[in-house]
Amino acid sequence: AQKITQTQPGMFVQEKEAVTLDCTYDTSDPSYGLFWYKQPSSGEMIFLIYQGSYDQQNATEGRYSLNFQKARKSANLVISASQLGDSAMYFCAMRAREAGGYNKLIFGAGTRLAVHP
Amino acid sequence: NAGVTQTPKFQVLKTGQSMTLQCAQDMNHEYMSWYRQDPGMGLRLIHYSVGAGITDQGEVPNGYNVSRSTTEDFPLRLLSAAPSQTSVYFCATNQAYSNQPQHFGDGTRLSIL
Repeated sequence: AQKITQTQPGMFVQEKEAVTLDCTYDTSDPSYGLFWYKQPSSGEMIFLIYQGSYDQQNATEGRYSLNFQKARKSANLVISASQLGDSAMYFCAMRAREAGGYNKLIFGAGTRLAVHP
Repeated sequence: NAGVTQTPKFQVLKTGQSMTLQCAQDMNHEYMSWYRQDPGMGLRLIHYSVGAGITDQGEVPNGYNVSRSTTEDFPLRLLSAAPSQTSVYFCATNQAYSNQPQHFGDGTRLSIL
């Protein structure tokens, strides 16, 4: 079964420090993609970063990087130099193929990050 | 560029009432989806569409109906609202390429009394 697991319901970090949010996944499909989304208190879903299963290098987008360990089926999000505005809920999601070629997303339960000054 | 627009933003219904959540996109994306978000469960797929005239069920389709008559619009209908359908509903769109992220609307917060 295809599944995303985020084991940290809540995390906190001091401003300017780095933090790692954990994500493990389960799939038998050799072709998959992993996404991280941020959901601030205002409620919108903001795309952060993407990692494809065949990508040779870990994805990076500004202060966000994805620590992709394929053998361990983990795709942890690393946020460097945390800012107060990083306080939000973070969701890991996996692309799974459906009939007709549609790529649905399977979401984890999320991790709530609090950045302290 | 509006992107993905959901209306209404908030709605309170009584059990048994019906209503339609609207989703419109101006991104010319083929794929559109409806998710519901419940505490501690992430987002779960309700229905999706891979193009005008084509819809299919997701993970939690019961109690919901969809149609896709145009590329731009993908309304979600609650046929007879139940308290278990109290949730935040998100519409999302994406291009037909596997590495493209889904773009989400701002959500509709729905309460069923």
